[in-house]
Amino acid sequence: GNSVTQMEGPVTLSEEAFLTINCTYTATGYPSLFWYVQYPGEGLQLLLKATKADDKGSNKGFEATYRKETTSFHLEKGSVQVSDSAVYFCALRSSNTGKLIFGQGTTLQVKP
Amino acid sequence: NAGVTQTPKFQVLKTGQSMTLQCAQDMNHNSMYWYRQDPGMGLRLIYYSASEGTTDKGEVPNGYNVSRLNKREFSLRLESAAPSQTSVYFCASSGTGLATGELFFGEGSRLTVL
Repeated sequence: GNSVTQMEGPVTLSEEAFLTINCTYTATGYPSLFWYVQYPGEGLQLLLKATKADDKGSNKGFEATYRKETTSFHLEKGSVQVSDSAVYFCALRSSNTGKLIFGQGTTLQVKP
Repeated sequence: NAGVTQTPKFQVLKTGQSMTLQCAQDMNHNSMYWYRQDPGMGLRLIYYSASEGTTDKGEVPNGYNVSRLNKREFSLRLESAAPSQTSVYFCASSGTGLATGELFFGEGSRLTVL
């Protein structure tokens, strides 16, 4: 079946550090891939997406590349800020069912 | 810009009590969803409604019922609450079903069942 696996958190970084949050997936067909972010006390919001292999999604300094050969969609940012502290969810949309499947979420804490 | 509004934000129930979570969106979206969020398990789909007048089960529908009252509103009902239903519940909507994958979420409703 379809599934998404993210690295366990929390991830704690100092301001201006480089961020990587790993995400791998299992899916049949050709899924679309997404990163959602949840700030404290809020609902989730779409951060970026990629709909086919080798696509790169980007937004707010975050990037992720759809790697079909390694079934991965790792989230990266070159220099994190305290305001990036949040929970990050990787998700896929199955091309077969159309349903959105979320990973378990990774908490990022950025310290000044 | 209200977006997706959920009520109540917090609720404490005793086992066996019933309650309804309300959700309304003002974006004229066709599709609406209810998810639950539990530690270490991400978000799991409870029920969804692809359009007004239709509802379908998601991954974890047992113990829940839903009503798509009109295009704006989608409610989730717990008929006899159980401690296993302690969770944070999120309502979401999208304009074109799951075709684009972009969902718009409410702020969540934290439910505790004692």
